[in-house]
Amino acid sequence: KQEVTQIPAALSVPEGENLVLNCSFTDSAIYNLQWFRQDPGKGLTSLLLIQSSQREQTSGRLNASLDKSSGRSTLYIAASQPGDSATYLCAVRLSKSTFGDGTTLTVKP
Amino acid sequence: GAVVSQHPSRVICKSGTSVKIECRSLDFQATTMFWYRQFPKKSLMLMATSNEGSKATYEQGVEKDKFLINHASLTLSTLTVTSAHPEDSSFYICSASVPGGSGKYNEQFFGPGTRLTVL
Repeated sequence: KQEVTQIPAALSVPEGENLVLNCSFTDSAIYNLQWFRQDPGKGLTSLLLIQSSQREQTSGRLNASLDKSSGRSTLYIAASQPGDSATYLCAVRLSKSTFGDGTTLTVKP
Repeated sequence: GAVVSQHPSRVICKSGTSVKIECRSLDFQATTMFWYRQFPKKSLMLMATSNEGSKATYEQGVEKDKFLINHASLTLSTLTVTSAHPEDSSFYICSASVPGGSGKYNEQFFGPGTRLTVL
C-alpha cells in the first residue's frame, strides 16, 4: 500500500526566503507525482506534474524534483511571498492518486 | 488547463435526508472521475473511482450503499449521500482524468469541492 509523507507539517518563513518542501513515498512504481496548493476552505490548484520518466519541472518561482529510486520529491519555492501562504499537497499516481497530509506554509511580510 | 466544476459548493441538510453532488468536466470528456473526501487538517481520502457507463469501484471501508456514485455521461458524475448523518459532514472533492496516450500519464483536474454540513 502506497504511503505518502510530507515533512514538515507546518512551516513559517519571512518574506523573500527560499524554501523546500519535502514529499516521500514508499512505492516507487508510480506514473507521476503532482504538487498542489490548497487555500483554506478551497479546492486544489495543480502546481506541477512530474511524469515518472522526468527528473524535474519548473513553473515560475517553483521547481519540483523527483527521485523515484529514493521515493522522494521536493518542491522548491524561490523568493517566497505572503501570497504563497497555503497548504501544499503532493500526490503520487499509479491507478489512483495517494495524497500526503500536506505542509502548511505561512510567509510573513 | 481543463476545468472541473462542482455543484453545489456548499449544502446544509437535516439528518436522514439525501444530498446529491454533481461533478462536471466543462471542456473535455472524462472517462474516469474520482471522488475524494477531506477531513479537517487532513489529506484527501479517495472514496471511489467511477468510469463512464459502468459501476463505480469503491475503496475499502467506503459504504457503497451510502455513497451512491453515478457516471452517466462523459462529462457528469454524481455522488449521492443517502440518509446523511452528522458524521458525513465533510469536504467532498471530485476530479476528472483527461484521456490520452496510453492513459497512464493522465493528469487529474480537480473540482472546487463541496462543503456538506449535516445537522
